[in-house]
Amino acid sequence: ETGVTQTPRHLVMGMTNKKSLKCEQHLGHNAMYWYKQSAKKPLELMFVYSLEERVENNSVPSRFSPECPNSSHLFLHLHTLQPEDSALYLCASSQDLLAGVSADTQYFGPGTRLTVL
Amino acid sequence: KNQVEQSPQSLIILEGKNCTLQCNYTVSPFSNLRWYKQDTGRGPVSLTIMTFSENTKSNGRYTATLDADTKQSSLHITASQLSDSASYICVVSGIKAAGNKLTFGGGTRVLVKP
Repeated sequence: ETGVTQTPRHLVMGMTNKKSLKCEQHLGHNAMYWYKQSAKKPLELMFVYSLEERVENNSVPSRFSPECPNSSHLFLHLHTLQPEDSALYLCASSQDLLAGVSADTQYFGPGTRLTVL
Repeated sequence: KNQVEQSPQSLIILEGKNCTLQCNYTVSPFSNLRWYKQDTGRGPVSLTIMTFSENTKSNGRYTATLDADTKQSSLHITASQLSDSASYICVVSGIKAAGNKLTFGGGTRVLVKP
C-alpha cells in the first residue's frame, strides 16, 4: 500500500446526484492532488493543494468542487456531472510541491472508478 | 507546448523476454523524469526518478536511461514476469516559478504472456 487511501473505490451516479470522493494520506505530506484518468488519455491534473491552500486549478468545470479541511484529507464534491466525466479519479500526495528534489515523488491512491449515467 | 510522447502504445511479450519502452519529451526547462507502473484498477507507483545529471537508474529488473540532450528516456524490463503486465507512464517535471509542473505521457500498456 502507498499510504494514500480513497473511498469509495467505485461509484455510479446519475447526472442529478450529488456525491463526494474522499482521499486520506497517512504519510505526513504537505501537498495533495486530484487527477482525472480517462481511457486512452494521459493523466489530467485537476487541483493541487499545499498546506490546505489551493494552489492550482487547471480550468476544471465548477461541477467539481475540491475541499481540503486539513493536510491529511482531500475531498472532491461532485454535482450535476455529465457522462463524459466518467473516469478514474486519482488522489496523490507528496512531501512538498514537487520542488525538484530527486527524492521527492508523488504517492497515488488506488483511485475511484466513477460512472455517470 | 510541453509534451511527453510514449511508444509503443502497447506491446505483448512472452514471459522471460526483455523489452524497452520509449519516452520522448519537449518539456523545458527540465527538472526530472519519472517512470511509473500502473496496474489495472490501481494508482501509479513510482519506479525511478532521474535528474538532469543522471544517465541511468535501476530498480530491480527495471532500468531507466535518460539522454537530456536528445530529450529521450527509455525503460528496459529484463526477464519479464507475468506481474509486469501493467501500464508504464513517463512523467516529466519542468521548472516554473511557482514550483514544478508535471507533464504526463499517455503510457505504454504491456502484456506479458506465459
